[in-house]
Amino acid sequence: SQQGEEDPQALSIQEGENATMNCSYKTSINNLQWYRQNSGRGLVHLILIRSNEREKHSGRLRVTLDTSKKSSSLLITASRAADTASYFCATDQGANSKLTFGKGITLSVRP
Amino acid sequence: DAGITQSPRHKVTETGTPVTLRCHQTENHRYMYWYRQDPGHGLRLIHYSYGVKDTDKGEVSDGYSVSRSKTEDFLLTLESATSSQTSVYFCAISDWDSTMYEQYFGPGTRLTVT
Repeated sequence: SQQGEEDPQALSIQEGENATMNCSYKTSINNLQWYRQNSGRGLVHLILIRSNEREKHSGRLRVTLDTSKKSSSLLITASRAADTASYFCATDQGANSKLTFGKGITLSVRP
Repeated sequence: DAGITQSPRHKVTETGTPVTLRCHQTENHRYMYWYRQDPGHGLRLIHYSYGVKDTDKGEVSDGYSVSRSKTEDFLLTLESATSSQTSVYFCAISDWDSTMYEQYFGPGTRLTVT
């Protein structure tokens, strides 16, 4: 069963705007990760946030984690057309290094 | 890109035939995974390996078997392919370090079962 559920399923914004994507999960986690997938390609790791962290930054990416609400958000600031992709959250429940992926969010950034 | 290759990249096969997909890594990572990706389902774990000859089932393992005789190779076999196994298959690798099991993905294999 799916552990992470992303919201919204699809998002369309104008270049330069910020994109916010949310992920909710059901059980306790060791860490939560976000991945990006360009059309026809494999997933690429973006950022990891540990269960004892509340916020993390990497370039134009900002991730927050609220373990009390079992939710995370990914913010992409000043979006670019090249950010057009699908984004997945994945949770690590500490079981033999396995990750459980959500169904993904499709982000379209219009030039 | 992490050193992960998958072969073949595309395959069309008939129902009932056996199919083997290969994942090869040059990173010497301990963990290897096979996922399938289908519209509306995201990525689902089929099988994974935590060492040579050490494998375990994932969420959707029925109809699939795996083998890992060398650190670098992880094989996924469909003993008798069915149309429901038409999908895109991804291999991934990971290892314990400061990045805590971040996974690196291969380019995928698109399998069509007719």
